[in-house]
Amino acid sequence: QKEVEQNSGPLSVPEGAIASLNCTYSDRGSQSFFWYRQYSGKSPELIMFIYSNGDKEDGRFTAQLNKASQYVSLLIRDSQPSDSATYLCAVNGAGGFKTIFGAGTRLFVKA
Amino acid sequence: DAGVIQSPRHEVTEMGQEVTLRCKPISGHNSLFWYRQTMMRGLELLIYFNNNVPIDDSGMPEDRFSAKMPNASFSTLKIQPSEPRDSAVYFCASRKTGTYTGELFFGEGSRLTVL
Repeated sequence: QKEVEQNSGPLSVPEGAIASLNCTYSDRGSQSFFWYRQYSGKSPELIMFIYSNGDKEDGRFTAQLNKASQYVSLLIRDSQPSDSATYLCAVNGAGGFKTIFGAGTRLFVKA
Repeated sequence: DAGVIQSPRHEVTEMGQEVTLRCKPISGHNSLFWYRQTMMRGLELLIYFNNNVPIDDSGMPEDRFSAKMPNASFSTLKIQPSEPRDSAVYFCASRKTGTYTGELFFGEGSRLTVL
């Protein structure tokens, strides 16, 4: 079992719709959780982080964390073509140092 | 402030040759990470350093790979001898331990092609 698992996609949504991206992790001691966005040919950049169970909202983005289910999700409201990218889920393990990434989900937003 | 700086941006070499990738982290950041990204395997953690000390190198695929961090402003990842399956984008990232976000800052990557 991989430490961080994501559906590779591609996930295709129409412009203005809600995109839902999901991630599960195996280490129950994981402390912090991140979503990075990576445009083609570019490096990953942080868009959201979450530490506590529940929802965290930042503009059009909402991160959701359920530690009991070892599940993290990212919702993108009012999706725009500029949101088309690969979204990487990342997890810091129990020690807090090591950051492990999932393989990423490719999102396409159709105009 | 300058971001994480990696060199070279592109490297094409032949099988068996030595490859050295370089990274300068953001000033003041005390953790440095080397990742490798391929379509098949995604973004894999190879090794990370904290305060210039290697903490976990369990992701280093083989003895052909080695990494050093002689000081707080420089790290190298060396592959000797290189093989075609080493072809990938290698990212260096840095972070300041203890920051609220825990954000990793990535360099632009070094794209390695081994023929």
